[in-house]
Amino acid sequence: VHLLESGGGLVQPGESLTLSCAASGFTFSSYWMHWVRQVPGKGLMWVSRINSPGSDTAYADSVRGRFTISRDNAKNTLFLHMSGLRAEDSGVYYCARDHGTGWYYFENWGQGTLVTVSS
Amino acid sequence: EIVLTQSPGILSLSPGERATLSCRATQSVSSNYLAWYQQKPGQAPRLLIFATSTRATGIPDRFSGSGSETDFSLTISRLEPEDFAMYYCQQYSNSPWTFGQGTMVEIK
Repeated sequence: VHLLESGGGLVQPGESLTLSCAASGFTFSSYWMHWVRQVPGKGLMWVSRINSPGSDTAYADSVRGRFTISRDNAKNTLFLHMSGLRAEDSGVYYCARDHGTGWYYFENWGQGTLVTVSS
Repeated sequence: EIVLTQSPGILSLSPGERATLSCRATQSVSSNYLAWYQQKPGQAPRLLIFATSTRATGIPDRFSGSGSETDFSLTISRLEPEDFAMYYCQQYSNSPWTFGQGTMVEIK
């Protein structure tokens, strides 16, 4: 199992950014997927999840309405579109594979991509 | 929201010693849906334990988990040099899925 995030960077408050996660080594379309954020030197926070076909999504309260998770099962890729970014959205964003279909613990993680929101 | 509090914040031990890490929840974690992760500097977290006491694939048997309802623990029976790291617990019984703040196991 290999998960590789990309798309992080430095953006100003209010701007948008889209993260990607390329998956390989497993049947991507069979698993729910998640995004988890970590503020450097601090803890972990679940951000969002998407079901296997991409028809159902869920978000943490702090990002609902601003972030959109999606997936392309044909290209084995997970996305997180972030808009209206705030300083508190800064951190390392990991994509993580669910144990299966809605277990909500994270069996495999990517190496993360850093998002910094600052003026 | 279930808040998980881990203790101690830092555990200073020597290789070969036994480590016991605690994770306490503000309300009962139903079905013992609690997981443990290990994270080393510059790396992503790695799943160690799920369902309170089931080791993930490839995790050595010196790692064990126990507990129920609101009190859980991770035990490392004999610390190996590669075990010095940060450890997080996570509950997946109630949304939002939450993590503890972590316990650092450092070399004494």
